[in-house]
Amino acid sequence: AQKVTQAQTEISVVEKEDVTLDCVYETRDTTYYLFWYKQPPSGELVFLIRRNSFDEQNEISGRYSWNFQKSTSSFNFTITASQVVDSAVYFCALSEAYTGRRALTFGSGTRLQVQP
Amino acid sequence: KAGVTQTPRYLIKTRGQQVTLSCSPISGHRSVSWYQQTPGQGLQFLFEYFSETQRNKGNFPGRFSGRQFSNSRSEMNVSTLELGDSALYLCASSLEQAVRDEQYFGPGTRLTVT
Repeated sequence: AQKVTQAQTEISVVEKEDVTLDCVYETRDTTYYLFWYKQPPSGELVFLIRRNSFDEQNEISGRYSWNFQKSTSSFNFTITASQVVDSAVYFCALSEAYTGRRALTFGSGTRLQVQP
Repeated sequence: KAGVTQTPRYLIKTRGQQVTLSCSPISGHRSVSWYQQTPGQGLQFLFEYFSETQRNKGNFPGRFSGRQFSNSRSEMNVSTLELGDSALYLCASSLEQAVRDEQYFGPGTRLTVT
């Protein structure tokens, strides 16, 4: 069965610090998709990125970057020069292609607090 | 383009009652999924609808049910409410049913069962 682990329950940083959120996943499928979502206090999950299992290129989008490593089953998320607006709960999620199950399996989330 | 909308945003019900939650997907999106979020269990998949048919179902009792209408709007129903059903219920829509499709979430309905 698939599983996503976010070992960091809560991280607190001071504004402008860089922070990395860890995500480790388990799946038997060879084709799968990984996602990151942000959940601000309003509750809505905001889609950040999707990565498929065949694309191990790192991705950068502004202050955000993602490091996908199949060898360690990890999909880590780094925020550079953090800002107070980055404060939220971040979720890593997995969906598997082989079973056709689109249901997202979420990690338990990492609460990021960015202090001014 | 308007995002996913959910109504009502907040709901208080009594144990034993039933409740219906509504979700309107992004225009053009045909797939709707429902998730339950609780502090103890985190985010868990309830079910997914596509073309008015339930395509996948999570590990929840039969008290949880749903349906989808021809305009892709979806409702979920919880009967005989229990205290443990108190949660944030999130609806997500996606364009089609491909596994790669991103799911866009609504703001959720916060249900409190007393």
